[in-house]
Order: sequence, then C-alpha cells, then structure tokens
Amino acid sequence: EAGVTQFPSHSVIEKGQTVTLRCDPISGHDNLYWYRRVMGKEIKFLLHFVKESKQDESGMPNNRFLAERTGGTYSTLKVQPAELEDSGVYFCASSQLSQPLHFGNGTRLTVT
Amino acid sequence: DQQVKQNSPSLSVQEGRISILNCDYTNSMFDYFLWYKKYPAEGPTFLISISSIKDKNEDGRFTVFLNKSAKHLSLHIVPSQPGDSAVYFCAATPYGGATNKLIFGTGTLLAVQP
Repeated sequence: EAGVTQFPSHSVIEKGQTVTLRCDPISGHDNLYWYRRVMGKEIKFLLHFVKESKQDESGMPNNRFLAERTGGTYSTLKVQPAELEDSGVYFCASSQLSQPLHFGNGTRLTVT
Repeated sequence: DQQVKQNSPSLSVQEGRISILNCDYTNSMFDYFLWYKKYPAEGPTFLISISSIKDKNEDGRFTVFLNKSAKHLSLHIVPSQPGDSAVYFCAATPYGGATNKLIFGTGTLLAVQP
C-alpha cells in the first residue's frame, strides 16, 4: 500500500507570506493527524481529524493556522501569515482505529 | 513543561552490543507508551509499545521495560546493528492507545558503530 504522502518536501517563504502544506493519508485511514517538530525539539501534536471532522485541534498554535480535510480524504494545513517561529518540520500521520500512526516524510518549512 | 523527557541526546554503541535508551515521564495519567524510530529526511516509524498494565513487552531484538513507580521506561536493542542507527523517540498518551494524540520526547540519536 502507498504510504502517507506530504507535499512539498521543502518550502522556503518570507515572513508574512502564506504557505499551504498538503497530506495524502493511507487510503482507508479515517484518522489523520498533524504534528510539528521545531528546531530539533520534541514532536508536538497539532490536530486530529476523524474523516472530515476536526476531533481535536487543541495543539494548533494560533489562528494563523488553518487545517482542512476535504471529503475526509487529503488534508491541507495553511499558515497565513507565516512568522519566523513557524519554521520547523510538519508531519502528517494517519491511522485506522487505534492502530499505530503511519507518518509521512514531513514538510520542512523555513520562514525567513 | 516537558512531560516526556529523553535526557540523553545521543548514544554510541558497538555493533553486537546492547543499546539502552531511556525515557522519563511526569504525568501519572499516562497509560500507554510507544517508541518510534526516525531516519534522516523520513518520518518516524512505529517500533514497539507497552500498556501500563504490563512491565515488559518484547518484539524480536527490541524490548521495552516500564517502571511505573519510577515513571521510567527504557528500550533495549540487542544485539545492536548498524541499521539501528537513527533517532529514537519515546511517546506517551493518557488515552490507553485509543487515540494517537501523543506526547513525544525530544529524541535520542543512536549511533551503532560497525
């Protein structure tokens, strides 16, 4: 089966610009998660979708971050406007029921 | 305030020897623990997990030990192989594994020397 796919793999933008990250989960996985790792620190939870519904978005840093999951398939994470502290690696992961997460390779975001 | 701590940023071990990676946690509500392995430029991959009702779980060369009274868990890899060289993340959740909202540590870089 195809794994979790994230696009782009790298993105470099200037402060104040907008960036949209995309995640395609494993087919059939209802649960989709976004995590972020900043500057080699811990991997932090951002939010959790079950199908198209946001189950938990308690980890979203602020209202500059907007996540969507159209039709319960792929998901996007938009940062608008981007700030320097948003730099990091954004991981998407999916799972079925309570099975362990399958992570994508991440999008490395650099805000200059 | 980090609830899951991996105090050793790195560890170097000779091939064939045992690797022991440690993890401490502060939240007594955590009841399910996992280890993930991460290679450069890749996402973490699930390695092994343990429920708080157990104190040991084994899968091939990998064994996880849980000491609830000390709020400590460790991952043992024996024998270590060069392909085990990666960053290892400890993670925990208070939801019994029913959800994958995980609290991760900062990771330990394991280098297995041939």
